[in-house]
Amino acid sequence: GQNIDQPTEMTATEGAIVQINCTYQTSGFNGLFWYQQHAGEAPTFLSYNVLDGLEEKGRFSSFLSRSKGYSYLLLKELQMKDSASYLCADNTGKLIFGQGTTLQVKP
Amino acid sequence: DTGVSQNPRHKITKRGQNVTFRCDPISEHNRLYWYRQTLGQGPEFLTYFQNEAQLEKSRLLSDRFSAERPKGSFSTLEIQRTEQGDSAMYLCASTSTGNSEIGYTFGSGTRLTVV
Repeated sequence: GQNIDQPTEMTATEGAIVQINCTYQTSGFNGLFWYQQHAGEAPTFLSYNVLDGLEEKGRFSSFLSRSKGYSYLLLKELQMKDSASYLCADNTGKLIFGQGTTLQVKP
Repeated sequence: DTGVSQNPRHKITKRGQNVTFRCDPISEHNRLYWYRQTLGQGPEFLTYFQNEAQLEKSRLLSDRFSAERPKGSFSTLEIQRTEQGDSAMYLCASTSTGNSEIGYTFGSGTRLTVV
């Protein structure tokens, strides 16, 4: 089956670090994506993990553990513009999304 | 290339009317996906095409919904006899097979309001 879980909401302070977790139980797993979505806009691609370990892209990093069915997105040096919804999605030939985590960055 | 284009951006229709949305994917992408998203939720998969072939349809896609991609380029999503529960953002995405690392590119969506 396909069941992707992530927290509904998180709050963090500007300049801080935040970690958004995602767990999944899927068959036919072929990689895990993270997308960012600002209100009223399209999701935009952040990262893709297909092998275990950490992928770093500037202020954003994503981690995958296939044996644990677990991923996280790490955002460093938070900025106000990082306030958005963060979507975890597994790739089984199509993207299956979690409900998204709404992150609010406060001054 | 200007990315994935969706038209119209907004559509307000009366219950019972038919509506049709269009998606123009990135030209070199052979796969095209339709999703539906309601407030506070992640996008829900509806259907996808590889070239002109419709490879999978979600159980969410009732018989009032139909999608086509006749020439393997643009796609249309039609909803017949719309209901208030159809009100949502309809997103289109495209990608190329064998290039998962580049991600799926989403359009800006068509927001449907059924009154």
